[in-house]
Amino acid sequence: DAEITQSPRHKITETGRQVTLACHQTWNHNNMFWYRQDLGHGLRLIHYSYGVHDTNKGEVSDGYSVSRSNTEDLPLTLESAASSQTSVYFCASSVGGRLSYNEQFFGPGTRLTVL
Amino acid sequence: KQEVTQIPAALSVPEGENLVLNCSFTDSAIYNLQWFRQDPGKGLTSLLLIQSSQREQTSGRLNASLDKSSGRSTLYIAASQPGDSATYLCAVRHNTDKLIFGTGTRLQVFP
Repeated sequence: DAEITQSPRHKITETGRQVTLACHQTWNHNNMFWYRQDLGHGLRLIHYSYGVHDTNKGEVSDGYSVSRSNTEDLPLTLESAASSQTSVYFCASSVGGRLSYNEQFFGPGTRLTVL
Repeated sequence: KQEVTQIPAALSVPEGENLVLNCSFTDSAIYNLQWFRQDPGKGLTSLLLIQSSQREQTSGRLNASLDKSSGRSTLYIAASQPGDSATYLCAVRHNTDKLIFGTGTRLQVFP
């Protein structure tokens, strides 16, 4: 069955370190998204991609970067981790195109703690 | 800027009750609206998607309605069960395919 996976599921790191969170989908979806979820803020969009070599900034992109070298993967990199980036990170994907029935599917999440 | 609000923030009910969860949004130019369920420590599971041209969608004991002109959607849960306990999130999508989420309603159904 097609799915979307994230790794690692839990990560503890130190301030200033570079961290990369992986997202892999087997839906063959064009669109991929990264969100973070924090108490009191809900889910907020970090970066998104509409296809290979396409990346766009979301609402809270400072301190994060992504690259899309193939359809299946959109890794999220924290260049220099900060305590404010402690959060739960979700990856999502959707078919793409201007389709009103476009449904987003979510991965299980990565809990990141920055000490 | 689109803002999505969910009321109530939390709800605790006895098993068997019929429930209504509310979602409101400020910009009616949406492509669709999705309702999700999130269990503690887990990811989001899509429950229902309503296209902008639709008025409602049903799946089992769940029914979601959409009134674009008034910027409102409701999720109706019939005959609630303890297994329905979770956080319910609504999200709206514009033509950019990005989702804008509400902060959720935390539901507890007790036996």
